[in-house]
Amino acid sequence: GQQLNQSPQSMFIQEGEDVSMNCTSSSIFNTWLWYKQDPGEGPVLLIALYKAGELTSNGRLTAQFGITRKDSFLNISASIPSDVGIYFCAGRTRGDQGAQKLVFGQGTRLTINP
Amino acid sequence: SAVISQKPSRDICQRGTSLTIQCQVDSQVTMMFWYRQQPGQSLTLIATANQGSEATYESGFVIDKFPISRPNLTFSTLTVSNMSPEDSSIYLCSVKGGNIAGELFFGEGSRLTVL
Repeated sequence: GQQLNQSPQSMFIQEGEDVSMNCTSSSIFNTWLWYKQDPGEGPVLLIALYKAGELTSNGRLTAQFGITRKDSFLNISASIPSDVGIYFCAGRTRGDQGAQKLVFGQGTRLTINP
Repeated sequence: SAVISQKPSRDICQRGTSLTIQCQVDSQVTMMFWYRQQPGQSLTLIATANQGSEATYESGFVIDKFPISRPNLTFSTLTVSNMSPEDSSIYLCSVKGGNIAGELFFGEGSRLTVL
């Protein structure tokens, strides 16, 4: 089935630094999503991308839908302590029963040193 | 935006037992989704629960192991049957809508540890 390769798996940065992470796949996706998961919580949607080449921002977060539709990246500018968490990319596809479903990347664990 | 409540939030279970996880949504929704997140791993869709019909399961997941109920438009349960340590995971309920373009909302998850 479709798989998303998300990198890096983990990041250790200083507060104030910019962050970049990406997802790639051998399959085409029509929608790319970026979620953040805090400890003990469910994932929360940050940004949704629906068109190849689309560049979307949400505050300090910027994400792009790759032209080939096989990749996406997420950038966080001027990181702050509350950015700590696990970031997941997700691509929308069709499940085994024909209904649309999300395929998730392995996650990028972000740790920030004050 | 939808508020999703899951019970239990966490539990420690013995091998061979079964546990039922409840998911309550504060609004009526057509589809509810159950995901599994194994330790340190990503999220994998188990099944889609539609009110009034049988749940549809993804490859690798079967009804005998993960029976699902959907008695009304605001509630669903997922049972993890005959548990083994490999079933230790976070189980997440999700619904569409209420946020950006109707994308998935997730509950806080139910963290199960099987001894």
